Amino acid sequence: DAGVIQSPRHEVTEMGQEVTLRCKPISGHDYLFWYRQTMMRGLELLIYFNNNVPIDDSGMPEDRFSAKMPNASFSTLKIQPSEPRDSAVYFCASSLRDRGSAFFGQGTRLTVV
Amino acid sequence: DAKTTQPNSMESNEEEPVHLPCNHSTISGTDYIHWYRQLPSQGPEYVIHGLTSNVNNRMASLAIAEDRKSSTLILHRATLRDAAVYYCILRDVFGSYIPTFGRGTSLIVHP
Repeated sequence: DAGVIQSPRHEVTEMGQEVTLRCKPISGHDYLFWYRQTMMRGLELLIYFNNNVPIDDSGMPEDRFSAKMPNASFSTLKIQPSEPRDSAVYFCASSLRDRGSAFFGQGTRLTVV
Repeated sequence: DAKTTQPNSMESNEEEPVHLPCNHSTISGTDYIHWYRQLPSQGPEYVIHGLTSNVNNRMASLAIAEDRKSSTLILHRATLRDAAVYYCILRDVFGSYIPTFGRGTSLIVHP
């Protein structure tokens, strides 16, 4: 397996634009996590899914953020409208509950100007 | 969730052993201790985990205190490629496994 795949790796957008980050988890994993990492706040959990169902989105900062998982092999994190303070590295991770360890993608570095 | 406490940073010389400590005084009996590390410009990666006994793998060793209130990740011979942020987190074996990360320990390795 190629691991967790995120796209794009880098995204630069203007304030007010819609941004969509994509994630393909490892095949067979039943948990999917979205994280955001900044120097100020470290690695924060935004939302996680179990069997494609969102379980806890309490980490999503505002209504401008939304996440979907239409099937077991694909998830998106959307920011609309984007703001400069959304600039961060966004990570997707997946895991098998009974295996415990989570596998992370390479991340998407988002810059909102 | 039970929390962990780690030093902000540590330094080591190349080819020397490194002992990275983690305190988890409120650990419950069903909590596994997991370690991850994050290399520069990469996502975190799993290193090792354990419950009560010491554990070894090709990357590192995990020493767990007898009362389980602390643990130590041991890198037997540090290399420059081991320079990373190391995170110690707890996982409840009976609960949903939601990796929640603190600030971790930034390991600096000197040549």
